[in-house]
Order: sequence, then structure tokens, then C-alpha cells
Amino acid sequence: GDSVTQMEGPVTLSEEAFLTINCTYTATGYPSLFWYVQYPGEGLQLLLKATKADDKGSNKGFEATYRKETTSFHLEKGSVQVSDSAVYFCALSGEGFKTIFGAGTRLFVKA
Amino acid sequence: SQTIHQWPATLVQPVGSPLSLECTVEGTSNPNLYWYRQAAGRGLQLLFYSVGIGQISSEVPQNLSASRPQDRQFILSSKKLLLSDSGFYLCAWSVKLNRGTEAFFGQGTRLTVV
Repeated sequence: GDSVTQMEGPVTLSEEAFLTINCTYTATGYPSLFWYVQYPGEGLQLLLKATKADDKGSNKGFEATYRKETTSFHLEKGSVQVSDSAVYFCALSGEGFKTIFGAGTRLFVKA
Repeated sequence: SQTIHQWPATLVQPVGSPLSLECTVEGTSNPNLYWYRQAAGRGLQLLFYSVGIGQISSEVPQNLSASRPQDRQFILSSKKLLLSDSGFYLCAWSVKLNRGTEAFFGQGTRLTVV
């Protein structure tokens, strides 16, 4: 079945450091891909999405490119802030009604 | 615009007591609805989803049940809570994309069974 694998955390960075969180997927067909963010005690918010190969999703300085050839959707940000500390989930949705989530990666950003 | 409401935000219940969590969606009709559970420090587990009134699909056998009495209302229940039912429960609804669906989440309910 479809699955999402993302790098284990926690990831600890200093403010203004470069962030990469790796995400790879297995799916039949060509799913839509997502990154969600969860701040402490809250639900998940959509951070960005890409619905076809080579699309780049971007929001709040975060970017991810849908790479069909490597089945990847890595999340990047050039300069992280303390306020970016959260848990980040990579996800895919293909045929049907379900969204498949990765295990989540916790990010800590130190001032 | 569409909004999703989930309550209560936090709940502490004794083992063996019943449970009822409610979720409602506004601004859309006939949404797909979902209940997820997130154990401490872990990922999301899909518990139930519904594509219409009275239509419930269960993903994992467990001590919980779900009902959809109205188009935009989704309820998660248990007759007798277990300690292992503790966790963060999230309701979600989704919109259809060209491929797959995009999910929108409520703020969650933190359930502690004591």
C-alpha cells in the first residue's frame, strides 16, 4: 500500500540555520503531496502542497518540490526562526479518500 | 469559508467511563469526515472516516466507535474507556483535488484516561 517515510527527529538547529527534512513516498499512480505543521497543543495546519510532478509548493519561506524520479518531497527553509519550532508531517493522498501521513519530525530551533 | 469545530479541547476521564467527542463542519456540504488519534510523541493513526450520513468506515479494531447523525456532524464515542485510549484526537474534513484529497483539521481534543 501507499506509504510515507520521513527522517526521524528531533532536529535541533540554531536560528538562521538551513533546514532540510527528508521525505520519500511509495504510491501507485501519482498522488498529491503535502507538508503539514503542528504547533504544540494544536491541530495540523497545511504548510504547502504539490499536486503533480515538478511542482514546487511554497509558504512562509518553506519550499518542497515534487520529484517523481526519486519519489521525494523534501522540505527546505533557508533561515529558520525560533517560531518554526514544531512537528512537521509529510503526507500523500492518491486514489480514494485517505491521506497517508509520515511519522512526523520534531524541529527545535534555538535562539 | 469553511470552518471545523471540535470540542472539548481537553478531557480527563476515569477508566470505564463513557466518551463522546463531537466535531462539526461549517461552510460546506457532504464533506468527507475523519477521526485520527495521535499518541504522545507519535504520528497520526486514522480511526474512522465517513463519506456520508450513516456511512462509517473503521480502520482499526478498538474500543471506539463513530457516528454521523447529520451531514456535517461527526461523533467519536466509547462505552468504557481504557487507559490506552489516552491521546490527542483530531477531527478532519477534506476536499477533492485533481489527485487525492486535501485535509483540514480541527484543534484537537487532549484525552487523558486516569
